[in-house]
Amino acid sequence: KAGVTQTPRYLIKTRGQQVTLSCSPISGHRSVSWYQQTPGQGLQFLFEYFSETQRNKGNFPGRFSGRQFSNSRSEMNVSTLELGDSALYLCASSLTGGSYNSPLHFGNGTRLTVT
Amino acid sequence: KNEVEQSPQNLTAQEGEFITINCSYSVGISALHWLQQHPGGGIVSLFMLSSGKKKHGRLIATINIQEKHSSLHITASHPRDSAVYICAVQNSGGSNYKLTFGKGTLLTVNP
Repeated sequence: KAGVTQTPRYLIKTRGQQVTLSCSPISGHRSVSWYQQTPGQGLQFLFEYFSETQRNKGNFPGRFSGRQFSNSRSEMNVSTLELGDSALYLCASSLTGGSYNSPLHFGNGTRLTVT
Repeated sequence: KNEVEQSPQNLTAQEGEFITINCSYSVGISALHWLQQHPGGGIVSLFMLSSGKKKHGRLIATINIQEKHSSLHITASHPRDSAVYICAVQNSGGSNYKLTFGKGTLLTVNP
């Protein structure tokens, strides 16, 4: 069974631009969650989608948004990039999300550098 | 004070030693995750537990809900166990899918 796939692996953008990251979950998984990891703040929860609906959102500005498609693939978008958005962005999929018997499976992440 | 506190921040051990990493949290939770992250970024979920104890190979995770505390133990440590170990709590309540992470414990196991 294929794992969680994130594309692209690396991305360099300029301040003010926008970026879209993609996450393909494990087949059959309906929950996709997104995380930001920086050296200073560590891992932080961005948002979680289940069956195309955003169920939960972390404490990030509105510049961070996402969506999930009917095949469970998810995208996250960051508009008006700032230098502080440079980070490793990880997504994880699980069967149902929030359930005790639904562990997370992480992708390898997209490393975004904003210059 | 962070909602999730891990200790120690850094840990160096000799191959074969028994290792314990601790995680304390201050909020109500529905589950607690232990994650392993190797250099390069990939994260592997080791355990997801809401009570008691789980064992997988040389790894053991325990949780005490009343004390709001969890431990991850590694028996007979090996250099390949060198990684960052991260504790994450899944909050309880109506919208119970939100993870809050500890800062991680960097484990180095020397041969």
